[in-house]
Amino acid sequence: AQKVTQAQTEISVVEKEDVTLDCVYETRDTTYYLFWYKQPPSGELVFLIRRNSFDEQNEISGRYSWNFQKSTSSFNFTITASQVVDSAVYFCALSEGAGNYGQNFVFGPGTRLSVLP
Amino acid sequence: GAVVSQHPSRVICKSGTSVKIECRSLDFQATTMFWYRQFPKQSLMLMATSNEGSKATYEQGVEKDKFLINHASLTLSTLTVTSAHPEDSSFYICSTHPLSGQPQHFGDGTRLSIL
Repeated sequence: AQKVTQAQTEISVVEKEDVTLDCVYETRDTTYYLFWYKQPPSGELVFLIRRNSFDEQNEISGRYSWNFQKSTSSFNFTITASQVVDSAVYFCALSEGAGNYGQNFVFGPGTRLSVLP
Repeated sequence: GAVVSQHPSRVICKSGTSVKIECRSLDFQATTMFWYRQFPKQSLMLMATSNEGSKATYEQGVEKDKFLINHASLTLSTLTVTSAHPEDSSFYICSTHPLSGQPQHFGDGTRLSIL
């Protein structure tokens, strides 16, 4: 069965620091998708990124960057120059299969990030 | 704008009340929708898969008679928490995706508090 581990339960940083959120996954499928979502205190889920298992290219979007390493089954997320508005719970998620995101969509336990002014 | 509309956003009611939560797909037809539950400081757990025109599929440990799901149209799925009790207090969130290969769209969630 697939599994997503986010070893960091809570992280606190001071504004402008860089922070990396770890995500390690387990799956037997060769085709799968990895996701990161942000959940601010208001509760809604904000989609950040999707990466398929055949694309190991790292991605940068503004202050956000993602490092996908199949060799270590990791999909880590880095926020550069963190801001108070980045404070939220961040979920890594895994979906097995070629195209169906619903079934077998598993969230990690989440990492609560607090950015202090 | 929002792709998935979930209503209500918050419910506070007495124990024993049944509560209906609606999940609407605004821009596309959704044959499949998903219902998740999130207890405080925990992750989201899939409760059930709602299939238009057929019975929902429930995850292990989720009582189908307790959490009634109806997906009568291609744009609407409803979750009814029957005879809710304080332990049912949670954050319920629905999702769907327009096409295979597209990421899920989540509703904004419903915070249910049973007194």
